[in-house]
Amino acid sequence: DSGVTQTPKHLITATGQRVTLRCSPRSGDLSVYWYQQSLDQGLQFLIQYYNGEERAKGNILERFSAQQFPDLHSELNLSSLELGDSALYFCASSVELGLGETQYFGPGTRLLVL
Amino acid sequence: LAKTTQPISMDSYEGQEVNITCSHNNIATNDYITWYQQFPSQGPRFIIQGYKTKVTNEVASLFIPADRKSSTLSLPRVSLSDTAVYYCLVETGGYQKVTFGIGTKLQVIP
Repeated sequence: DSGVTQTPKHLITATGQRVTLRCSPRSGDLSVYWYQQSLDQGLQFLIQYYNGEERAKGNILERFSAQQFPDLHSELNLSSLELGDSALYFCASSVELGLGETQYFGPGTRLLVL
Repeated sequence: LAKTTQPISMDSYEGQEVNITCSHNNIATNDYITWYQQFPSQGPRFIIQGYKTKVTNEVASLFIPADRKSSTLSLPRVSLSDTAVYYCLVETGGYQKVTFGIGTKLQVIP
């Protein structure tokens, strides 16, 4: 158990809908990362937050957005969902922001768009 | 952003030492090299991290030559439970982009 929690574990929805994925980092961790992993694909970095502020952006679609709240939990919002958005979404956290920081991953949310 | 290249897959028998090499030709001076392990439908798990020369922990060793253009993850005496995907990650300053790549799928055979 990494100490990072993600809810829900599974999510099934229809195209065009909007969903929110939630992540609670490890206690004391200030940085949160979101990743997308499609079937048999590597992990695609989406976005990173540090202490409430966006710090790095990867290949995140405009239909996706995220935020980190004062209590440091984070939410990833996916809207106008398409079939291709079906994937595992992982959240990770680390203590600080910078080189050499180990990322601790949550169990993931499996999203299925029908 | 340093791009990494790893073998897509490897097979090994139980009890053997496995070495997985990652190429990262344009690694920057301050970049770290980190390896993660991922089992199916689980989040990746940190294995080991290094900057140069050799790092060893209770599960693996990481060898980084002086030119730092590659690194090798060494797993001693693998067991069936080591069957997983192994990712080499070059962590670039400021986390401007974090790329895991496809990883190396290691299959341990009885």
